Amino acid sequence: AQSVTQPDIHITVSEGASLELRCNYSYGATPYLFWYVQSPGQGLQLLLKYFSGDTLVQGIKGFEAEFKRSQSSFNLRKPSVHWSDAAEYFCAVGPFSGGYNKLIFGAGTRLAVHP
Amino acid sequence: GAGVSQSPSNKVTEKGKDVELRCDPISGHTALYWYRQRLGQGLEFLIYFQGNSAPDKSGLPSDRFSAERTGESVSTLTIQRTQQEDSAVYLCASSLAGLAGPRDTQYFGPGTRLTVL
Repeated sequence: AQSVTQPDIHITVSEGASLELRCNYSYGATPYLFWYVQSPGQGLQLLLKYFSGDTLVQGIKGFEAEFKRSQSSFNLRKPSVHWSDAAEYFCAVGPFSGGYNKLIFGAGTRLAVHP
Repeated sequence: GAGVSQSPSNKVTEKGKDVELRCDPISGHTALYWYRQRLGQGLEFLIYFQGNSAPDKSGLPSDRFSAERTGESVSTLTIQRTQQEDSAVYLCASSLAGLAGPRDTQYFGPGTRLTVL
């Protein structure tokens, strides 16, 4: 069955520290991969997406993610976290071909940032 | 430009009542999606509309749930005889063409928080 796992429910980091949020997926084919961020009271905002090609993807707000096919992972990273990054982060996968973007989401990782 | 809007932002209702949630997609977006987000969980796909094609209702959890969309504009999600397990945030998204792949990004609204007492 298709699924997305985000192993960390909550993560707390200090401002200025580096960040890595984990995402593992189970999918029958090469998926499209997405990271979304959800701030309190806000809708989901796309941070970055992987389609094909270079496995290191750059996104907005200084985030990047690396697709590792051998590990079925698409971890999100940021070298230096800002207090405004505190939010909930969702990893999602979508179909590679045919049909439409019926996204499958992970349960999310809530990030807290200490000053 | 305007993003996806949803109304109401919050809805509290009594068990057994019907509720109607509204979504206004981005102008020009032909594809529209409804998702449900239960507390502490990821988003769960409910239904998808693409132009004048028959909607994909495969994600609707029961026949109490239905949705309509008028052309390529507003959509309403209706839940009849609400149950406590229907309490969740209902998110709407739209995209330009609904094609598979990240070239067609989904843009999400802020959601409607439904609480069934």
